[in-house]
Amino acid sequence: AQSVTQLGSHVSVSEGALVLLRCNYSSSVPPYLFWYVQYPNQGLQLLLKYTTGATLVKGINGFEAEFKKSETSFHLTKPSAHMSDAAEYFCAVSGGTGGFKTIFGAGTRLFVKA
Amino acid sequence: DAGVIQSPRHEVTEMGQEVTLRCKPISGHDYLFWYRQTMMRGLELLIYFNNNVPIDDSGMPEDRFSAKMPNASFSTLKIQPSEPRDSAVYFCASSGRQGNLVQYFGPGTRLTVT
Repeated sequence: AQSVTQLGSHVSVSEGALVLLRCNYSSSVPPYLFWYVQYPNQGLQLLLKYTTGATLVKGINGFEAEFKKSETSFHLTKPSAHMSDAAEYFCAVSGGTGGFKTIFGAGTRLFVKA
Repeated sequence: DAGVIQSPRHEVTEMGQEVTLRCKPISGHDYLFWYRQTMMRGLELLIYFNNNVPIDDSGMPEDRFSAKMPNASFSTLKIQPSEPRDSAVYFCASSGRQGNLVQYFGPGTRLTVT
């Protein structure tokens, strides 16, 4: 079975500060890992994904994530937060026997202070 | 591409009434997912289809919920009879075999049952 744990339901940073959203996963097979972002009153949209190959993955809006198999982690970072980054972020895992079924974390709401 | 289309965007109904939510996936996608999102439970997978066939409906809360996909371009989620605890945002998402399991979400239907 696959699972995802996002550490911290709320994260608050100042504009210009580093953003770090934590995600740990559990999977018995090589996972496909995703970060999705949800802005208010919208559906989720893909921020970035890891399938195979390079473990540092770059996404949209300056975000990146690093797949660390030894730590079973896929943390999301951005060097400098912008007010427009305020949203809810979901880490997700799929693949293997789960096929196309994707398991989403509980989400982390990011607040950006001026 | 128009993306995933959901209708209606908002639905307010009285307890006991039948509710039908509709979804048009992205053309060419062969997987379709229905999710429910609430503050208490987060994002829950209700059911997903592959090539119009239901694959996993283990997330459907009870017999009052049913979903169909009569063809590749249309799916419905029906609640009969509706209850106040069904109030939530319902998302439809679609995915294609060539897309590395990335899901594309619709804007959601906000359901309020009074």
